[in-house]
Amino acid sequence: RKEVEQDPGPFNVPEGATVAFNCTYSNSASQSFFWYRQDCRKEPKLLMSVYSSGNEDGRFTAQLNRASQYISLLIRDSKLSDSATYLCVVRDQAGTALIFGKGTTLSVSS
Amino acid sequence: DARVTQTPRHKVTEMGQEVTMRCQPILGHNTVFWYRQTMMQGLELLAYFRNRAPLDDSGMPKDRFSAEMPDATLATLKIQPSEPRDSAVYFCASGFGGIEEKLFFGSGTQLSVL
Repeated sequence: RKEVEQDPGPFNVPEGATVAFNCTYSNSASQSFFWYRQDCRKEPKLLMSVYSSGNEDGRFTAQLNRASQYISLLIRDSKLSDSATYLCVVRDQAGTALIFGKGTTLSVSS
Repeated sequence: DARVTQTPRHKVTEMGQEVTMRCQPILGHNTVFWYRQTMMQGLELLAYFRNRAPLDDSGMPKDRFSAEMPDATLATLKIQPSEPRDSAVYFCASGFGGIEEKLFFGSGTQLSVL
């Protein structure tokens, strides 16, 4: 079983749509969670951290459900520039490396 | 803006040749990671250093891969001998450490082994 699993997509949505991605992780002891964004042929970049209480950054909302071991990312009012691959990332504990999911591809069209 | 610098950006080589990739982490960062990315496997951890000491290289094929940090400003990843299955994008990333650590990635080295 993969440690971090994501639906690869692609998710094809029109501008202005709301889209949600989920991610599941296998280690119940995992301690920190992130979403990274990767544009085509570019390096991954941190989008946002994910906290148990949920957190929001503009049009982006991240949620963590520890009981069900899943993380979600909601994007409201999608823009063309949101087209990218979104990587779910988990760290088990301090001193261990970040574990990346394979990513979910989003394509926003006009 | 401070950034992680990787060289070379692209490398084409023949099977059996040695490949060396270099990374300059962001000044002041104390953790360095090497990841390999392919379409099939996504981002896989190869090696992880903290304060120049290797903490985790369990994802790295030991018979042909080696990773070192000769000093705080340089990390290297070597493949000897290279094989076609090593073709991938190799990313270096650095961070400040800690449980909420945020990684900053270099632009990657696109490696093609013929």
